[in-house]
Amino acid sequence: AQSVTQLGSHVSVSEGALVLLRCNYSSSVPPYLFWYVQYPNQGLQLLLKYTSAATLVKGINGFEAEFKKSETSFHLTKPSAHMSDAAEYFCAVSWMNTGFQKLVFGTGTRLLVSP
Amino acid sequence: GAGVSQSPSNKVTEKGKDVELRCDPISGHTALYWYRQSLGQGLEFLIYFQGNSAPDKSGLPSDRFSAERTGGSVSTLTIQRTQQEDSAVYLCASSLAYGSETQYFGPGTRLLVL
Repeated sequence: AQSVTQLGSHVSVSEGALVLLRCNYSSSVPPYLFWYVQYPNQGLQLLLKYTSAATLVKGINGFEAEFKKSETSFHLTKPSAHMSDAAEYFCAVSWMNTGFQKLVFGTGTRLLVSP
Repeated sequence: GAGVSQSPSNKVTEKGKDVELRCDPISGHTALYWYRQSLGQGLEFLIYFQGNSAPDKSGLPSDRFSAERTGGSVSTLTIQRTQQEDSAVYLCASSLAYGSETQYFGPGTRLLVL
């Protein structure tokens, strides 16, 4: 079965510290991978995506993620957290063989940033 | 340019009533998606429209849920005889075309069934 797992429903960091949000996927076909961010009472905003080109993907707001096929992972990182990064982050997957008709989401990780 | 818009932003209804949720996709986007975000189930795919093709309804949780898309643009998600478990945020997304991998989301409609 094709699925997405996000380890840690909550991650707490101090302002200026490294942010690492984990995402692993299970797929029998090549996936496309996405990270979305959701601020309170708002929709989902695309941070970055992997679509079989470069394995290291840079996104908005200083975030980046690396696709590691051998580890079936797509972890999201940011070198230095900012208070404004506090939000919920969702990893999502779609598949070329279904024409990207559906996104399958992980359960989300809430990032808490303390001063 | 304008993003995906949804209305109403909030809806409170009584159990058993019907509700309609509206989505206006980004202009020029031919693909439209509905998702549901709830505490118990996370983010779930509901239905997908692509141009004039038959929609993919595989994610609709029951026959009380239906959706239509008129003129290849605006979509309406209808929930009949609402139940308390229908309380959730309903998110709409659009993408440029079939095979276009990036979906852009609206702000959602928060539905509360009393």
